[in-house]
Amino acid sequence: EAQVTQNPRYLITVTGKKLTVTCSQNMNHEYMSWYRQDPGLGLRQIYYSMNVEVTDKGDVPEGYKVSRKEKRNFPLILESPSPNQTSLYFCASSSGTSGTKPYNEQFFGPGTRLTVL
Amino acid sequence: GENVEQHPSTLSVQEGDSAVIKCTYSDSASNYFPWYKQELGKRPQLIIDIRSNVGEKKDQRIAVTLNKTAKHFSLHITETQPEDSAVYFCAASMDSWGKLQFGAGTQVVVTP
Repeated sequence: EAQVTQNPRYLITVTGKKLTVTCSQNMNHEYMSWYRQDPGLGLRQIYYSMNVEVTDKGDVPEGYKVSRKEKRNFPLILESPSPNQTSLYFCASSSGTSGTKPYNEQFFGPGTRLTVL
Repeated sequence: GENVEQHPSTLSVQEGDSAVIKCTYSDSASNYFPWYKQELGKRPQLIIDIRSNVGEKKDQRIAVTLNKTAKHFSLHITETQPEDSAVYFCAASMDSWGKLQFGAGTQVVVTP
């Protein structure tokens, strides 16, 4: 089954304790992104990756790191989490190819609800 | 960069009525405009999209219109049903792959 997976789905942590949220896709998509969703603000892009070892900042990258060592994985790293990073996080991937299907349809993971105390 | 504004933030409709959500974008280079639906506790999923060379697109009860001159696009849902209750996000993109700028979302509530 084609899918994007994220782990963990729920996480409660404390300020300053490093954490990693994993994201994996099995669709051989080149492009992957991380978003955070906050009430009234919609989905805001944190980082994106166009291919292995190619990443760039989105709209709200402060306090986050990413890496893309393999095509299928795109982990999100919070080196020193703070309470303002409490949010719902989504990973997404897209193929970037044209044709009959939407060429940049984002396939979202199930989300990770993070609480930083 | 691109800025997308979405209105209204909440929309209550009676079952069977129509719902319209409007979005405006700032960058005339944007050429792809998808709409995502997010049901409670679920992930966003694409429901319809339109590219800049098309003015209107329909898929059963949903339709999207695009006015490039005015830089706005709209989602129309006809004959609304309770299962249409969700948060709807518009987005705009000028890339060929997936750097989307999302609107803030519209909570649609369809009452029986």
